[in-house]
Amino acid sequence: GAVVSQHPSRVICKSGTSVKIECRSLDFQATTMFWYRQFPKKSLMLMATSNEGSKATYEQGVEKDKFLINHASLTLSTLTVTSAHPEDSSFYICSASRDSGKATLYEQYFGPGTRLTVT
Amino acid sequence: AQSVTQPDIHITVSEGASLELRCNYSYGATPYLFWYVQSPGQGLQLLLKYFSGDTLVQGIKGFEAEFKRSQSSFNLRKPSVHWSDAAEYFCAVEPGGGNKLTFGTGTQLKVEL
Repeated sequence: GAVVSQHPSRVICKSGTSVKIECRSLDFQATTMFWYRQFPKKSLMLMATSNEGSKATYEQGVEKDKFLINHASLTLSTLTVTSAHPEDSSFYICSASRDSGKATLYEQYFGPGTRLTVT
Repeated sequence: AQSVTQPDIHITVSEGASLELRCNYSYGATPYLFWYVQSPGQGLQLLLKYFSGDTLVQGIKGFEAEFKRSQSSFNLRKPSVHWSDAAEYFCAVEPGGGNKLTFGTGTQLKVEL
């Protein structure tokens, strides 16, 4: 249980276009979803946290107008990179957590990631 | 400043040998502590976690970790490494109450046959 999928796994887009990445919890309802960015040989950097039906909370330094997050349901969150530029090329990872008591407190279940390349 | 440090960027061990991956944190109070493993094409998988109680925590795949408050460490160990353990390992902390994980920079494990 606790499977999270991401789509697409890889995407190449042209500079100036927008791209949408989907994150789905397949077998549980996610009270909170998270979006991370991972640079080569680097750690995961939290970009934003979102709760279903609420506006996302962005980390300091993350442009909310560039990285649009929508959490429309308890099983789906989307990240849209608007007006993408080559510096936005990265590995984007989502995760989800569920509120099921102390046993899973603060546990996050991660998607396999999306490799974005902006040309 | 609050931080998570994994001092070893790369580690190579022979199959069957023991393994210890280091993790140190710098927080005012004891945070919640996690170890995740990342394999290519797969999402990060939780190996184990520490919240309180027994300082030696058992996880999946034969891994264990020991919390040492005096050293602000949470090192991951495995007595006998398998070739399939080759992956990237991340230590993470949740400072408390916010459900936000801060990750270390990771340790790449290579296993020699």
